[in-house]
Amino acid sequence: GAVVSQHPSRVICKSGTSVKIECRSLDFQATTMFWYRQFPKQSLMLMATSNEGSKATYEQGVEKDKFLINHASLTLSTLTVTSAHPEDSSFYICSARDRGTKFDSPLHFGNGTRLTVT
Amino acid sequence: GQQVMQIPQYQHVQEGEDFTTYCNSSTTLSNIQWYKQRPGGHPVFLIQLVKSGEVKKQKRLTFQFGEAKKNSSLHITATQTTDVGTYFCVMYSGGGADGLTFGKGTHLIIHP
Repeated sequence: GAVVSQHPSRVICKSGTSVKIECRSLDFQATTMFWYRQFPKQSLMLMATSNEGSKATYEQGVEKDKFLINHASLTLSTLTVTSAHPEDSSFYICSARDRGTKFDSPLHFGNGTRLTVT
Repeated sequence: GQQVMQIPQYQHVQEGEDFTTYCNSSTTLSNIQWYKQRPGGHPVFLIQLVKSGEVKKQKRLTFQFGEAKKNSSLHITATQTTDVGTYFCVMYSGGGADGLTFGKGTHLIIHP
């Protein structure tokens, strides 16, 4: 089955530094990947839609200069949390859709990244 | 734009009781998908509904798609501790990637 690999699974960084999270589709190509944020005991919050070869589409209230998204290839999208602060600590998760499927096809999720900013 | 509501946000049940979560859309949907996320885990695809009035079953789980294709429900019969997690819907109304809307999810907490 389709596998999405997300790395790192956990990261601890100091306030003011930047952190990059990678989302890879291992056995399929993904023209669209989604990035989410999830606080403890809360639901997934869609942050942005990442499209290969074009700019990401950010949801309302998400700072695009704070959360940089790059989807440079059909198998890799990255989320960079710039100048991280403790309030950015959260669980970040990505999902991807197989390029060969329609927009309404099921999503494949990565295992998520637990970010802690000290 | 499309408005989506998923209720309840939290549901506490005693083990063995039934559980239902609902997703409602302000617009007609092309299809709806349901996912389950275990605590500490990532969402896993459960099922996709496409046809008006469609009903699908997976063991103790029953999924329904409304006749007007604007609402859907997930019902679990006789809950077990393994059912603990967050269930959320993903609705698609057409029009490419812009037509995708995520429900906020329902947290199912089961008491032994």
